Amino acid sequence: NAGVTQTPKFQVLKTGQSMTLQCAQDMNHNSMYWYRQDPGMGLRLIYYSASEGTTDKGEVPNGYNVSRLNKREFSLRLESAAPSQTSVYFCASSEHGPDTQYFGPGTRLTVL
Amino acid sequence: QKEVEQNSGPLSVPEGAIASLNCTYSDRGSQSFFWYRQYSGKSPELIMSIYSNGDKEDGRFTAQLNKASQYVSLLIRDSQPSDSATYLCAVNTGGFKTIFGAGTRLFVKA
Repeated sequence: NAGVTQTPKFQVLKTGQSMTLQCAQDMNHNSMYWYRQDPGMGLRLIYYSASEGTTDKGEVPNGYNVSRLNKREFSLRLESAAPSQTSVYFCASSEHGPDTQYFGPGTRLTVL
Repeated sequence: QKEVEQNSGPLSVPEGAIASLNCTYSDRGSQSFFWYRQYSGKSPELIMSIYSNGDKEDGRFTAQLNKASQYVSLLIRDSQPSDSATYLCAVNTGGFKTIFGAGTRLFVKA
């Protein structure tokens, strides 16, 4: 089992460019999450998907969109990247709701 | 604003000592509490979860919860250099939203 995988691992964007971060899990988990982690701050929830076919806003959703493509995959899209979105992005999954979360390796994004 | 507060550290302890990590939270309705360990440049991984008042032990790790004081702690006995990492306290405040503290950096000196 690969667990939670994320692509890409690193990305540099220019302001205004768009991109999609991919996440997939092979643990048959129902719930998936996107977080960002900035220095000196905890993980902050961007969006989550409680189950296949549903998505909801987290703490910091502005500037992002998500798609729960199927039970395995949950993508995060930046439509027009801004320097304030420079961060490390983690995808996570859990079997049911606010239970133990399993994290992917992260994507380090820099917006110039 | 629901908050989870941790001392950022670094907390430095000698090898073999007990490391004590503390966390306070603001939402009295919180039900689930977690400790994650994060090595530098890596992703968080769960160490302990605790749901009711008291102590929960797992090997060298003990989580303690006091809901009346809104306080969660993690004790690491017989600390090893491999325990050097950032420890994140996480609190589920209801539904699917979990609030993470900024983490405490632990350094275990050999």
